[in-house]
Amino acid sequence: KQEVTQIPAALSVPEGENLVLNCSFTDSAIYNLQWFRQDPGKGLTSLLLIQSSQREQTSGRLNASLDKSSGRSTLYIAASQPGDSATYLCAKPAGGSNYKLTFGKGTLLTVNP
Amino acid sequence: NAGVTQTPKFQVLKTGQSMTLQCAQDMNHNSMYWYRQDPGMGLRLIYYSASEGTTDKGEVPNGYNVSRLNKREFSLRLESAAPSQTSVYFCASTENRDLYEQYFGPGTRLTVT
Repeated sequence: KQEVTQIPAALSVPEGENLVLNCSFTDSAIYNLQWFRQDPGKGLTSLLLIQSSQREQTSGRLNASLDKSSGRSTLYIAASQPGDSATYLCAKPAGGSNYKLTFGKGTLLTVNP
Repeated sequence: NAGVTQTPKFQVLKTGQSMTLQCAQDMNHNSMYWYRQDPGMGLRLIYYSASEGTTDKGEVPNGYNVSRLNKREFSLRLESAAPSQTSVYFCASTENRDLYEQYFGPGTRLTVT
């Protein structure tokens, strides 16, 4: 079964720190990889999607990279703020089809003022 | 654009009762999905519809049925609710080309007693 693993499960940092969230997957033949944010009691919000032909994607203070050969993706958050506190999930296509996604269990990020 | 909408937001059922969760999207997306999210289990795909008129089972379909009513709407039915179906249910949609970026609704929190 294809798996997506996110480490760490939880992370607490002081405001202003730069941080990296990790996502690893067992199937290197991926198509796209998507990062989501989930606030407590809310749905998932798409942050970044990296196409398989790309190595990274940036949006504001967020940068996501993709290394298919090692089966890893990282989400870099620069100058973290308390408003960044949320659960971050990565997801990749399941079974080589873009129709279905397999999700990691997420990293719960707390940014302390 | 409202994006993906779900009703109801909260529901409490007794064991054996039935109900239908409604989902609609206004982005003209072809594919729609139902997920459930449980602590420690992450997000799991229940059913999906790759296009209007088609539905397929996901990872955890037992105890559920779906209907793709038209391109906009995709409903999830619990015929005889069980406590194991206590969960948060999310609907999502995506366009069937290019990025396959998934967009999520706000969720329905279901408790079965």
